[in-house]
Parts: sequence; structure tokens; C-alpha cells
Amino acid sequence: QKEVEQNSGPLSVPEGAIASLNCTYSDRGSQSFFWYRQYSGKSPELIMFIYSNGDKEDGRFTAQLNKASQYVSLLIRDSQPSDSATYLCAVNGVWGGATNKLIFGTGTLLAVQP
Amino acid sequence: GAVVSQHPSRVICKSGTSVKIECRSLDFQATTMFWYRQFPKQSLMLMATSNEGSKATYEQGVEKDKFLINHASLTLSTLTVTSAHPEDSSFYICSARALAAYNEQFFGPGTRLTVL
Repeated sequence: QKEVEQNSGPLSVPEGAIASLNCTYSDRGSQSFFWYRQYSGKSPELIMFIYSNGDKEDGRFTAQLNKASQYVSLLIRDSQPSDSATYLCAVNGVWGGATNKLIFGTGTLLAVQP
Repeated sequence: GAVVSQHPSRVICKSGTSVKIECRSLDFQATTMFWYRQFPKQSLMLMATSNEGSKATYEQGVEKDKFLINHASLTLSTLTVTSAHPEDSSFYICSARALAAYNEQFFGPGTRLTVL
């Protein structure tokens, strides 16, 4: 069973702090990794993706990938109350021929306190 | 870019009726579209994968005769919930994957279905 695991939270951080969201995955063949943000009652919105080991920065967001440890994380700098949402980690890999399919974690609820 | 629309955004229907939901990629061609369902406080559940011009691939436990999927063009996929029942009430979300992409999926705004 291919799995993507996240801590459900809630993760509570004060405004202006760095929020660190973590995700582990079970399939070593996974090739690309995605972070989505989902506000309550809305559909997921792509924040960023990463496919190489190391860090990838986009504005206040940094994705970090460590394939040896099967670990991907998302850092949000200068957290704002508007960042309060559920963050979904998704993994794409080559298994069963379903190269297009993403496997989603259950999400981490982030609450940024003003 | 990468905009996906869904219609309708909200629908209420009587038990036993059928409901059609449209998913369109507005500014790119989608080789593959996906249909998800999400119940309150739960994560996304993939229902089926739809490739243009071919039959959809359904996930285990999803009834293909109840959830009919048609992907007639590179910009349009439809999901028809046939003989809907109250337990089908959920948030249905489509996503689309572009050509030459790193498999990122762009989501539509979702359709909230309520079956009375």
C-alpha cells in the first residue's frame, strides 16, 4: 500500500513565525512531490512542487526534499493569519502504470494566531 | 494560467435523479483529468482517472455504472452521478493535468452535491 503520511495537527504558530509542515512517503520510486493548500469549503490550490533533493524556494514558501529519508517538508516564513488552512502533501510515483496519479496525505491543519 | 472550471458549483437534487458535473480546462489542454470526492473533515478520495478519448479508470470500490465519466475533448470531462442517493452527497472536485508537466494537477473549484 503506497502511503503518504502527515500529522493532522492542528499546528498553531504565532503570526510572523516560521511554520514547518512535514510529510513522509513510503514508495522509494516516487518522483515528484507537491504541496497544496486547501481552505475550508474550497478546493486545493497548488503551492509548489519539487522533484530534486534539496530546497526550492518560492516567495515565503520553501519546499525541502530528502529522498534518502523519504521526507518532504514545507516551510512558510513570516506566517500570516491568511495562511491558516489545511496543507496537503501529494506524491507522484511510478507504480502499477499509473504514472499520472497523485497520492495525497490527509493534510495538516495550520492555524496562524494573530 | 492553468485555470480549471467546474459547473455547477452547487446542486441540490431529489433522490433517484441524475446529476451531471462539467470540468473544463480553460487555458490549457488536459491530457488527463481526475475526479475526486471529499466528505466533511476528510481528505481527498480519488474516484477515477479520465484520459481523452478513452475509458476512465476507476479506483477500487467506485461503481463505474453509478459514476459515469466522459472525457470527450482535451478541455472537457463530465461526471454523471446516476440515481443519486443521500449518501452520494459530497464535495466533488475535478483536476486536470497539462501536457509536458511534472504531473502537477490543477483543481477546479468543486461542486457541492446535496441529495435530498
